[in-house]
Amino acid sequence: GNSVTQMEGPVTLSEEAFLTINCTYTATGYPSLFWYVQYPGEGLQLLLKATKADDKGSNKGFEATYRKETTSFHLEKGSVQVSDSAVYFCALSDVGTDKLIFGTGTRLQVFP
Amino acid sequence: DSGVTQTPKHLITATGQRVTLRCSPRSGDLSVYWYQQSLDQGLQFLIQYYNGEERAKGNILERFSAQQFPDLHSELNLSSLELGDSALYFCASSNGLAEETQYFGPGTRLLVL
Repeated sequence: GNSVTQMEGPVTLSEEAFLTINCTYTATGYPSLFWYVQYPGEGLQLLLKATKADDKGSNKGFEATYRKETTSFHLEKGSVQVSDSAVYFCALSDVGTDKLIFGTGTRLQVFP
Repeated sequence: DSGVTQTPKHLITATGQRVTLRCSPRSGDLSVYWYQQSLDQGLQFLIQYYNGEERAKGNILERFSAQQFPDLHSELNLSSLELGDSALYFCASSNGLAEETQYFGPGTRLLVL
C-alpha cells in the first residue's frame, strides 16, 4: 500500500542554519504531496504542497520539490529561526480516496 | 485559523464510557475527514464524509462511528472507551474535489482514565 517515510528526529539546529528534512514515498499513481507543520499545543497547518512531478511548493522560506524519479519530497529552508521549532509531517493524498497518509513526523528544535 | 472548528478542546472520561466529538468544516467545504494522532500509531485516517455520505473508511474501530449532518457538521462517536483510545482527534475539511488540500481543526484531546 501507499506509505510515507520521514527521517527520524529530533533535528537540532542553531538559528540561521540550513534545514533539510528527508521524505520519501511509495504510491500507486501520482498522488499530491504535502508538508504540514504542528506547533506545540496546536493543530496541523498546511505548509506547502505539490500536485505533480517537478512541481516546487514553497511558503515562508520553506521549499520542497516533487521528485518522481527518486520518489522524494524533501523539505528545505535556507536559514531557520527559533520560531520554526515544531513537528513537520510529510503526507501524500491517496489517489482515489483522498485520505492523507502521513509520515511519523520530524521534530525540529532551533536554538538561538 | 483554518476555519475548521472542533469541540470540545479537551475531554477526560473513564473506561467504558461514550463520548461525542464535534466538527464544523470551513464554509463551503463538503468533505469532512477524521484522523487520530497517538504516540504509538502516529497520525491515522479514520473516516471521510462527503455531503452527508460516507466516502472512505480507514482504520476505524467498530466501537467508533461518525456521521455528517445536513448542515455539514460532523460528529465522531467513541463508545466502550479503553485506555488506548486516549489520543488527539483531528477533523479536517476540503471542498471534496480530488486531492484538494485538507484544512485541519485544532483537535480534541481525549484522555481515558
